Amino acid sequence: QQQVKQSPQSLIVQKGGIPIINCAYENTAFDYFPWYQQFPGKGPALLIAIRPDVSEKKEGRFTISFNKSAKQFSLHIMDSQPGDSATYFCAAYIPGKLIFGQGTELSVKP
Amino acid sequence: GAGVSQSPSNKVTEKGKDVELRCDPISGHTALYWYRQSLGQGLEFLIYFQGNSAPDKSGLPSDRFSAERTGGSVSTLTIQRTQQEDSAVYLCASSLVSDSTDTQYFGPGTRLTVL
Repeated sequence: QQQVKQSPQSLIVQKGGIPIINCAYENTAFDYFPWYQQFPGKGPALLIAIRPDVSEKKEGRFTISFNKSAKQFSLHIMDSQPGDSATYFCAAYIPGKLIFGQGTELSVKP
Repeated sequence: GAGVSQSPSNKVTEKGKDVELRCDPISGHTALYWYRQSLGQGLEFLIYFQGNSAPDKSGLPSDRFSAERTGGSVSTLTIQRTQQEDSAVYLCASSLVSDSTDTQYFGPGTRLTVL
């Protein structure tokens, strides 16, 4: 019940495309949903986050859509660039820890 | 300011040996976390320290794993009698306090290879 399921496992888009990464959860005790971006050889870094009482949040080219009733949330990257190529993790917070999805390896082709 | 640092960056050891992995959190951060990232997998929570409270050890996979945090700052993750399945990247993170909206800042990780 503490799992966060993420899809797809990998994603290839052309520059300017809009990759979408989806996550689903079961535990209604989760109260914060961050997305992390990880480049090879680096630790994950916070990209954007949302609370469950908000349905959408935008920061620059990154948007989180949140559907509380369906227990699903997704990351959209507008006008994607080759520099966005990285692994993206969704996560859910429960006191004391983050529960991470399995990750999505995104490749943006020039 | 300096971020979370971890040492060593890479560690190769033989099966059955003990290893110690070190984490230096961001100065002033009271919460410290250890995660494990296996190849192609997400991050798996291991243990969490908050101030002087007893740590949450619920994610440690076996009693071969232990961690301590000295003086509320530096933390050491120890794996005894290492096994090949322990091979992974071990990531440390810290946050100012332990609150849902408080950002966890990650270090670069220690890549452990057990031969």
